[in-house]
Amino acid sequence: QTVVTQEPSFSVSPGGTVTLTCGLNSGSVSTTYYPSWYQQTPGQAPRTLIYSTNTRSSGVPDRFSGSILGNKAALTITGAQADDESDYYCVLYVGSGIWVFGGGTKLTVL
Amino acid sequence: QVQLQESGPGLVKPSQTLSLTCTVSGGSISSGSSSWSWIRQPAGKGLEWIGRIYTSGSPNYNPSLKSRVTMSVDTSKNEFSLKLSSVTAADTAVYYCARVFYSSGWYWFDPWGQGTLVTVSS
Repeated sequence: QTVVTQEPSFSVSPGGTVTLTCGLNSGSVSTTYYPSWYQQTPGQAPRTLIYSTNTRSSGVPDRFSGSILGNKAALTITGAQADDESDYYCVLYVGSGIWVFGGGTKLTVL
Repeated sequence: QVQLQESGPGLVKPSQTLSLTCTVSGGSISSGSSSWSWIRQPAGKGLEWIGRIYTSGSPNYNPSLKSRVTMSVDTSKNEFSLKLSSVTAADTAVYYCARVFYSSGWYWFDPWGQGTLVTVSS
């Protein structure tokens, strides 16, 4: 069974930089998994942040960027702000029409 | 701009079938660049992909739910639906519908509906 791994939690200082990752329990993440990233605040639906490795969705600030780092997909926030405190999810296409979400990372800005 | 809206009962009894509909506005559900997905989220937990359907072709379901899930599309109403049978309290969650959009060689989930809470309880 494919498991998509994310850090359960992360903390960053205001103005700091943080990189969240999205991996696989077996194997490496590549563009063939079509990784994308979503931000979710409490009580709200997820909001699309990044797709196509490093394309920001409309209205997403340029402090958010995506990449493939080693064997994982990565979401980097450069110059974190207080309103970046959210849950962040990645999703991967694992083949045969199946998608798997990571468990999410709870980001604290303090 | 495409928008999605979930609808359906907020309370379902155990062992019964959960039925939800997602209405697509601002665009055609038959768009060749789109497929349509259901995702759920139990309170305080992460997102779980349930399945995906095209307007033509076979749907794909999460293997862990496959025996209980049926998705369908009604192009005349521009909507798609989810049925989850034999529900238990573990199926209590916020259910989201989302478009899986394809463009320039990539797929992603956008937009999302606002979500609807379904509680399984007698």
